Amino acid sequence: DTGVSQDPRHKITKRGQNVTFRCDPISEHNRLYWYRQTLGQGPEFLTYFQNEAQLEKSRLLSDRFSAERPKGSFSTLEIQRTEQGDSAMYLCASSLRALAGGPNTGELFFGEGSRLTVL
Amino acid sequence: AQSVTQLDSHVSVSEGTPVLLRCNYSSSYSPSLFWYVQHPNKGLQLLLKYTSAATLVKGINGFEAEFKKSETSFHLTKPSAHMSDAAEYFCVVSSGYSTLTFGKGTMLLVSP
Repeated sequence: DTGVSQDPRHKITKRGQNVTFRCDPISEHNRLYWYRQTLGQGPEFLTYFQNEAQLEKSRLLSDRFSAERPKGSFSTLEIQRTEQGDSAMYLCASSLRALAGGPNTGELFFGEGSRLTVL
Repeated sequence: AQSVTQLDSHVSVSEGTPVLLRCNYSSSYSPSLFWYVQHPNKGLQLLLKYTSAATLVKGINGFEAEFKKSETSFHLTKPSAHMSDAAEYFCVVSSGYSTLTFGKGTMLLVSP
């Protein structure tokens, strides 16, 4: 399967612990996105990368959250000092943009998500 | 600023009857509009997209949507529902160079 893969699929942690999620995009895709989805809501944008550059961050991304894409391939999303309100599904998506900073007229390919439960 | 409103949180239909999932959008610029579907324990999948070409857009699995600028709507339809269509559907807007904004979703329930 050459789609977007996310790891782990499920994570249960205690409040105050740090967690890290990994996303492997489709190999030729230069853009990578992180979204968060809570029960009864649609996915909410967190951040995205064009190659290794983080181009935009949502105000939802507090200073406890950090995302990296060091070599322009896989990405990690770390949450420090987790809180119960961080419990959600964290979705990764990738896409191919022919032009850097080009408009979003194309398709995002989503992974199956990483579900976080903070006790 | 951009936003989408999905007018129904749940829609129930019988197999073989038409499907209508309603979406209204708000956008400061000419929008691109999408419908995504999410089956249980599966990743989101693009159904169809509108990017300022034909206003009637055909997607996968027999779905289509019509862009109506005067009504700021992008409703999703299918002539005949199938059991496999049961899933959650998201209307999505993107304006200019912004990222995608999702609606809250509509759960489609299909009964035999």
